[in-house]
Order: sequence, then C-alpha cells, then structure tokens
Amino acid sequence: DQQVKQNSPSLSVQEGRISILNCDYTNSMFDYFLWYKKYPAEGPTFLISISSIKDKNEDGRFTVFLNKSAKHLSLHIVPSQPGDSAVYFCAASAIAGANSKLTFGKGITLSVRP
Amino acid sequence: GAGVSQSPSNKVTEKGKDVELRCDPISGHTALYWYRQSLGQGLEFLIYFQGNSAPDKSGLPSDRFSAERTGGSVSTLTIQRTQQEDSAVYLCASSPTHYGYTFGSGTRLTVV
Repeated sequence: DQQVKQNSPSLSVQEGRISILNCDYTNSMFDYFLWYKKYPAEGPTFLISISSIKDKNEDGRFTVFLNKSAKHLSLHIVPSQPGDSAVYFCAASAIAGANSKLTFGKGITLSVRP
Repeated sequence: GAGVSQSPSNKVTEKGKDVELRCDPISGHTALYWYRQSLGQGLEFLIYFQGNSAPDKSGLPSDRFSAERTGGSVSTLTIQRTQQEDSAVYLCASSPTHYGYTFGSGTRLTVV
C-alpha cells in the first residue's frame, strides 16, 4: 500500500523553464510534508518542507504547494537549472514537531536540458 | 564528523551469509533511522531509534533483520542469512528533530 505516490517516474524540462513535480498521498493523518533531492551515489538531501497549516512555502527557486482537500502537493522549480537534475522524493509524516519516521514516494527523476 | 557516515559503501555477499552495516550519526542527533531503497522503489522505512526509548522496529521486513544503537550513537544493522531480495541501498539518517533529517551516502548491498 503506497501511502505517498509519485506517479510520474521522470520529467524532462528545458533550462530556464518551470519544473513541476507532483505528489499524492492517501493518509489523512499526514500533517508534514518534505521534498528531498538525491544525486547518484549520495544520500538524499532535504530541500523544502511544508506544514499542513499552510498551503504554500517558498525558498528561492523552490516552492511547495499543498492542497489538503485533494491530498496533493507539488514542487515548483523556477527557473530550472541543469544542476537541478536529480531524483526528487516526496515524503510525509504524521506527527509534526517531533521525531517521526517519514514515508517516502518512489521518486521522480528530473532532467534539465541545457 | 560533519555528516552521517556509513560503512562499507559497497558490500557484495553470498546468499546465506550474514552482513553488518554501520552508521555513525551526526554528534548530538538523538534520532537515528534506517531506510532501504530497492531498485525502482522509494525509500522503505526499517527502524527508528530515539534516545533511550524502545526502537520502532515496525518496518523490519523479517526476523533476519535486526539493529542496535550503542551508547546512543553508532548503529549497526545486521542481516542474517541474506537473500537476493535483500539487495538494496541501505540508508541511515540522523536528526535532532524530524525537520533536520540528514542522510548518509548509503551502503549498496548486493547478494549474489
């Protein structure tokens, strides 16, 4: 049972354009959501997060949007750069503000073409 | 060290052998997690240590898997009688809070 779903395995965009990475979840108890970025042979690194009390969080070129009613979140990267090419994991947890295990999606491979 | 250190980075073992994977978390991080990523899959939760509390072992796939954390620091994940389906990248993460998960580079385990 996949509680966090990243249905598109890959995405290719032109440098300078917007990248939109989507994520859906099924567990209504999830209240904190994160995006991680992973390069080959490295561990995932934290990118951006959002609490369920918000619907948008922005950090530089990265913005995460949360639609709780649809149980959907998305990561927007604007403008996309070749260095953004990586695997992006969506993750969720059910206990905000405390140590808790994260449930991850399968990841999306983003390729940014120069 | 500055980051989470895992060893070995790569391990090839014969089916049926036992393996031990090591994780050195960031100093002062009270929480430690083990995940694994099988080919084409997401990160699968295995086990979670928080301070002196009993670990959350709910993600361990079978009783061949065990983990311990000594002195609230270094952790060892042990897989007994390895099977081919155990082949994966095993990732360790530590955190002062769940906002600050820091992953190691992982151990790529191949069971032949």
